[in-house]
Amino acid sequence: AQTVTQSQPEMSVQEAETVTLSCTYDTSENNYYLFWYKQPPSRQMILVIRQEAYKQQNATENRFSVNFQKAAKSFSLKISDSQLGDTAMYFCAFMKRTIYNQGGKLIFGQGTELSVKP
Amino acid sequence: DVKVTQSSRYLVKRTGEKVFLECVQDMDHENMFWYRQDPGLGLRLIYFSYDVKMKEKGDIPEGYSVSREKKERFSLILESASTNQTSMYLCASSPGGRGPGEQFFGPGTRLTVL
Repeated sequence: AQTVTQSQPEMSVQEAETVTLSCTYDTSENNYYLFWYKQPPSRQMILVIRQEAYKQQNATENRFSVNFQKAAKSFSLKISDSQLGDTAMYFCAFMKRTIYNQGGKLIFGQGTELSVKP
Repeated sequence: DVKVTQSSRYLVKRTGEKVFLECVQDMDHENMFWYRQDPGLGLRLIYFSYDVKMKEKGDIPEGYSVSREKKERFSLILESASTNQTSMYLCASSPGGRGPGEQFFGPGTRLTVL
């Protein structure tokens, strides 16, 4: 069975600074996807960034980037130039790759609550 | 614009009541999911469905059932609500076929069972 662990329940960062959220996972699978989702206060969960395990290059989306270390089973999220709107709960998630994406179940970590301070 | 809607944002029910939570997606997605979200535990999968009338148990199906009679609609049923089912319930959908299958989430229903 796969597990995802986020060891930082809460973090805070000053506006415009950089912050890194940690995530480790455990799996015996070789083909899988990793995700970071963001859940702002009282708003819907949205996808921040996605990494495919067979790709060595780290994914980047504007101010968001990941450090994917497959051998170490680590998948951290770096937020550069933090903005007040980045305040949210962040979830790391794992999905086993299937042929037809039938089901495509996500396994979530516990979440990290990030506060960006002015 | 992609949309997943849930029938209620807040719901208060009494112990023993039968509770229906409805989810509708307008993206013609094959897969639909029900999660519950609890502090310190993240999201845990209750049930999912990869086709109409098809369902599979997730990690915590006890005390819940689901129904998917139409592709766009996925209902979660609490047969006899209990206080330990007080939680935030999130619905999600994703496309079928090959690919990373990003899940799109609804706004959530915060259920309180008294």
